[in-house]
Amino acid sequence: SQTIHQWPATLVQPVGSPLSLECTVEGTSNPNLYWYRQAAGRGLQLLFYSVGIGQISSEVPQNLSASRPQDRQFILSSKKLLLSDSGFYLCACRGTPGIEQYFGPGTRLTVT
Amino acid sequence: QQQVKQSPQSLIVQKGGIPIINCAYENTAFDYFPWYQQFPGKGPALLIAIRPDVSEKKEGRFTISFNKSAKQFSLHIMDSQPGDSATYFCAASTPQSKAAGNKLTFGGGTRVLVKP
Repeated sequence: SQTIHQWPATLVQPVGSPLSLECTVEGTSNPNLYWYRQAAGRGLQLLFYSVGIGQISSEVPQNLSASRPQDRQFILSSKKLLLSDSGFYLCACRGTPGIEQYFGPGTRLTVT
Repeated sequence: QQQVKQSPQSLIVQKGGIPIINCAYENTAFDYFPWYQQFPGKGPALLIAIRPDVSEKKEGRFTISFNKSAKQFSLHIMDSQPGDSATYFCAASTPQSKAAGNKLTFGGGTRVLVKP
């Protein structure tokens, strides 16, 4: 079965600082990978997804970017954080073959 | 047409009660309907899923009922326990190719509180 790792678990960053969140996946190959953001007490907003190395699709225009340098590595970045970037960031994976989408443990980001 | 509408937003039941969460959709191309359970500070966990060729699926105390003609599906938690207190999300997807992303469309979530 798939295992999804995310780090860091929590992060407090000042406005204007850069961001790098990492997600790695074990137990599958050639997965689809996803970044979601969840505001406090709210639903799941899909930010980016990737169907392969170097292939990134953006769902919403924003201050963030994503990269996939390796098959099972997905990175979420920002050059300058905004207060509105605070939230709970979740990486998800859909393995090949398979239909189920599994989530990682998440990263809590607070921008101060 | 891609929306999944989930209700209620929150629900309080006594231990042993049966919380019922409902989801409705418009896109008749949806063919996979999973439910996720999320505890505070944790990532959502896949709970149970159903395809439109069956009307009901049970896994332990969790049951999905599916009404294709009404374009609705629901989650029932039988003999609910305080440990079931969590936020539940329904979702749906169309039969996309891997290259198209296999994206899920999520409902807004339901916060369930089971009182002891």
